Amino acid sequence: EAQVTQNPRYLITVTGKKLTVTCSQNMNHEYMSWYRQDPGLGLRQIYYSMNVEVTDKGDVPEGYKVSRKEKRNFPLILESPSPNQTSLYFCASSPWDKNTGELFFGEGSRLTVL
Amino acid sequence: ELKVEQNPLFLSMQEGKNYTIYCNYSTTSDRLYWYRQDPGKSLESLFVLLSNGAVKQEGRLMASLDTKARLSTLHITAAVHDLSATYFCAVDSTSGTYKYIFGTGTRLKVLA
Repeated sequence: EAQVTQNPRYLITVTGKKLTVTCSQNMNHEYMSWYRQDPGLGLRQIYYSMNVEVTDKGDVPEGYKVSRKEKRNFPLILESPSPNQTSLYFCASSPWDKNTGELFFGEGSRLTVL
Repeated sequence: ELKVEQNPLFLSMQEGKNYTIYCNYSTTSDRLYWYRQDPGKSLESLFVLLSNGAVKQEGRLMASLDTKARLSTLHITAAVHDLSATYFCAVDSTSGTYKYIFGTGTRLKVLA
């Protein structure tokens, strides 16, 4: 089954404790990206990657890091989480060719930073 | 800067009625997307609109794109309760960067 898998789905942590949210896709998509969803703000792009070792900032990259060492994986790293990073996070992938940039989303990861 | 605005933000409508959600974007983009999100769930793709004048229909939903006006519409015909969800439009950037910008979403509630 074609899918994007995120882990963990739910996480409660404390300020300053490094954490990683993993994302993996099995569709051989070139493009992967991370979003955070907050009430009233829609989805905002954090980082995206067009290919292995190619990453770039979205609109809200502060406080986050990413890496793309393999095509299928795109982890999101919070080196020193703060309460304002409490949010619902989505990973998505796309074939991103001239015909489409349609996104396929993971199930989401709800993060609470105390 | 690429911005996307949707209106209305909230929409409560009776079953059987028609309504339109509007999506305006600020700079040139030839690719526009509509997604649906059910409460507590992830997003799923509804429509991909790739060119000026594109129109796509699925069931009671029809989406259109006017790139000259930088406007897309999502028209709901004879609404049913199952259409209750949040609808997002989004555009991507294919020139220079590969950013993806979402609107703030329209929360639709269809009342029986």
